[in-house]
Amino acid sequence: QVQLQESGPGLVKPSGTLSLTCAVSGGSISSSNWWAWVRQPPGKGLEWIGEIHHTGSINYNPSLKSRLTISVDNSKNQFSLRLSSVTAADTALYYCARERVEMATMTAYDIWGQGTMVTVSS
Amino acid sequence: DIQMTQSPSTLSASVGDRVTITCRASQSISSWLAWYQQKPGKAPNLLIYKASTLESGVPSRFSGSGSGTEFTLTISSLQPDDFATYYCQQYSSYRTFGQGTKVEIK
Repeated sequence: QVQLQESGPGLVKPSGTLSLTCAVSGGSISSSNWWAWVRQPPGKGLEWIGEIHHTGSINYNPSLKSRLTISVDNSKNQFSLRLSSVTAADTALYYCARERVEMATMTAYDIWGQGTMVTVSS
Repeated sequence: DIQMTQSPSTLSASVGDRVTITCRASQSISSWLAWYQQKPGKAPNLLIYKASTLESGVPSRFSGSGSGTEFTLTISSLQPDDFATYYCQQYSSYRTFGQGTKVEIK
C-alpha cells in the first residue's frame, strides 16, 4: 500500500529556508490524488500548509503563501516543501499526507507520513 | 478564511460512555468535513469523511453527522483505545483544522 516518508534537515537557522521532501512509495504520485503538507507545533494543534496535484495545481495556506513553495517531481515520485524567512514560530513536526480522490470527489487525508521535526534556532 | 471551532477542548469520560464532540464552521461547508484521531507521537488517523462516511477499517462505534455549519462526532461506547485527541477539518475552501478535543480518562 501507499506509504509516505518525510526527509530533510532537523535544524534551520532563523531567516533561513526550511526544505523538506516527501517520498511516495507503493503507488504513483501521478494519480488523481492530491499531496499535502501539515504541521504541528509542539503541544499544539494541526495547521494546514498547502497541497499539490501531479499536474502542478497548488493550493497554499493564505497565511503562509508569501513564504511558501510546494513542488512535485513526478519522475522521482516525490513532492517538496520550501518555507523561507523562518522564525521560531515555524518550529513544528511536519507531516506529508495524501488527500484521496474518489470518483473525482475529495475525501480527506487518508495516508500520512510519520512526521519530521524541524527546529528553527541559531 | 473558514474558521473551525471545536467544543469542548477537553472531555473527561469513562469506558462505556457515549461521547459527543461538536465542530462549528464560520460559514457553510456543506458536508465537506473530516474527523481524525491522533494519539501522542503518532500521525493523525482518518475516522470519517464527508461528514458521515466511515473510513474503511474504523470501528462502527464512531459516527459523524451534520451539514452546513454544525457537525458532531459521536463515540457510542468509549473504549480504552479511544482516549486521544480528535480534530475536525473542513475541505470546502482550502483546508482548516479545528483546535482539537482531548478525550481523557475520568
